[in-house]
Amino acid sequence: EAGVAQSPRYKIIEKRQSVAFWCNPISGHATLYWYQQILGQGPKLLIQFQNNGVVDDSQLPKDRFSAERLKGVDSTLKIQPAKLEDSAVYLCASSLGGLDQPQHFGDGTRLSIL
Amino acid sequence: SQQGEEDPQALSIQEGENATMNCSYKTSINNLQWYRQNSGRGLVHLILIRSNEREKHSGRLRVTLDTSKKSSSLLITASRAADTASYFCATDAGNQFYFGTGTSLTVIP
Repeated sequence: EAGVAQSPRYKIIEKRQSVAFWCNPISGHATLYWYQQILGQGPKLLIQFQNNGVVDDSQLPKDRFSAERLKGVDSTLKIQPAKLEDSAVYLCASSLGGLDQPQHFGDGTRLSIL
Repeated sequence: SQQGEEDPQALSIQEGENATMNCSYKTSINNLQWYRQNSGRGLVHLILIRSNEREKHSGRLRVTLDTSKKSSSLLITASRAADTASYFCATDAGNQFYFGTGTSLTVIP
């Protein structure tokens, strides 16, 4: 089975610019997650989708971050404008169901803000 | 926050030895999961233990959960160089899902 696909793999931008990340989950997985992982820390959940509806976005900085999952399949995460502290790896994961199901992760997008 | 904390932060052992890492958390949970992350890669799910379970095995992995102490441990037996990675616990407390700070394991051939 194909895994979770993410692109781009790396991205370098200057502060105040905008950036978007793309994720294609495993086929048939209803739940999709976006995480932010700062170097040396564990991943922090930004947003959880169930099909194309948002289940939890309590830790998403909504003044600059947005995410959508049109048609309940692939998803995009956008940052506008970017700040220096947004430098991190952005991970996408998917699962068959809720938080009691194993999550399958992509390899992430490493974002560097100059 | 609910975020778990792993202990130790870093662990270095010889191949063939056992590795034990611990996770502590703050509030009641529904289940706890352990994940592995190789450098530059995404996380890989290892094992899930529910709040009503005390111990679970999967191959060379043994996980225990003590809900009274709000802690879990992951034991990797007969370690291999390929086990070198960071290990994270993750807790599901209803609508909140948190990863811990991670243990970096190095297995020396």
